[in-house]
Amino acid sequence: NAGVTQTPKFRVLKTGQSMTLLCAQDMNHEYMYWYRQDPGMGLRLIHYSVGEGTTAKGEVPDGYNVSRLKKQNFLLGLESAAPSQTSVYFCASRQPHGTSSSYEQYFGPGTRLTVT
Amino acid sequence: GEDVEQSLFLSVREGDSSVINCTYTDSSSTYLYWYKQEPGAGLQLLTYIFSNMDMKQDQRLTVLLNKKDKHLSLRIADTQTGDSAIYFCAENDNQGGKLIFGQGTELSVKP
Repeated sequence: NAGVTQTPKFRVLKTGQSMTLLCAQDMNHEYMYWYRQDPGMGLRLIHYSVGEGTTAKGEVPDGYNVSRLKKQNFLLGLESAAPSQTSVYFCASRQPHGTSSSYEQYFGPGTRLTVT
Repeated sequence: GEDVEQSLFLSVREGDSSVINCTYTDSSSTYLYWYKQEPGAGLQLLTYIFSNMDMKQDQRLTVLLNKKDKHLSLRIADTQTGDSAIYFCAENDNQGGKLIFGQGTELSVKP
């Protein structure tokens, strides 16, 4: 199993450009998440999904959109990138509570995005 | 709303014990977690504790949970230079299984 993978690993964008970050998991998990990590602020939840075709806003959703067309993939889009979106982005997945190994959220390796 | 607080830095000498503290606000959390992040890497689950437990021990790691004070701690015995990393405390939100993270404590282990 590859676990949770993220594409790309690094990206530099100019202000106003758009891009999509891809997260894929091969563990058949129902729940998937996108976080951003900034120095001294821990990880903050951007959007999440509790199943194929569903998405919900997290703590810091503004400027981002997501889609979960297939259970194994969770896409994070930036329509018009801003310097404030310079960050490291982590994707994660888990099973719902009450299922086996439902206590653990598995993380991808991260995508480092710089917006100039 | 939910909030998780940690101190930002801790420095210890190799061989000493390290204690990283965390406070949280959501008393309904089912699990509380400690994640470790090494430089340039993702988050790795170190250990977790179920909310009806007071203590959990796993080799050099001891987790203590005080539900009354909403205080969680991670003790690392015989700290090694390889333990240098950022440690995140997190509580789970029972709605959607989201994790609420603290700011992270950067542990520096000096030889």
